Amino acid sequence: DAMVIQNPRYQVTQFGKPVTLSCSQTLNHNVMYWYQQKSSQAPKLLFHYYDKDFNNEADTPDNFQSRRPNTSFCFLDIRSPGLGDAAMYLCATSRDWYQETQYFGPGTRLLVL
Amino acid sequence: GESVGLHLPTLSVQEGDNSIINCAYSNSASDYFIWYKQESGKGPQFIIDIRSNMDKRQGQRVTVLLNKTVKHLSLQIAATQPGDSAVYFCAENTSGGSNYKLTFGKGTLLTVNP
Repeated sequence: DAMVIQNPRYQVTQFGKPVTLSCSQTLNHNVMYWYQQKSSQAPKLLFHYYDKDFNNEADTPDNFQSRRPNTSFCFLDIRSPGLGDAAMYLCATSRDWYQETQYFGPGTRLLVL
Repeated sequence: GESVGLHLPTLSVQEGDNSIINCAYSNSASDYFIWYKQESGKGPQFIIDIRSNMDKRQGQRVTVLLNKTVKHLSLQIAATQPGDSAVYFCAENTSGGSNYKLTFGKGTLLTVNP
């Protein structure tokens, strides 16, 4: 009963080569989030969508973009990956953003060569 | 590659013992808190949550205590099992201007010895 699905689970890209990570959900939740998590660190919020409204964190680099074509899908685009962008990327969803649990996907491990 | 991460606080217990993981949160206006468990290579998994109108909440083998006076949260795991070995994160629901978001604590690595 997968609820938040991320593909691929592992992604290898080259320095500077655009890459897209995908997330889908079967929960029909309003909010979808993208987090970056580096080794031994807490997840760091990059941005989120409330329905079609995009909310970017102030310190998210312009190199990171997102798209949400419909309720179920959300994409993370990294326009020109650098070595420092190698990390686990986590997608999460919640019904609303106030006092609501966020449910996480399994993550996509990105390696930049 | 990845930058070197910070060293996580660690807690090592014997199988069958009770575990207590502590978390200090930063925002006195936070009114909703969640504990997550994250196993190696996996996404965070919801364990238990608590709202600020409560001091204690119990689940299956887990209890969360909230002390708003000192902005402290704890997770108690009864009869800890090897499968409980993971990193545990507390998260607080904070206001980010016109919206709300979860702010995660640093995490604690729990190791259960058989």
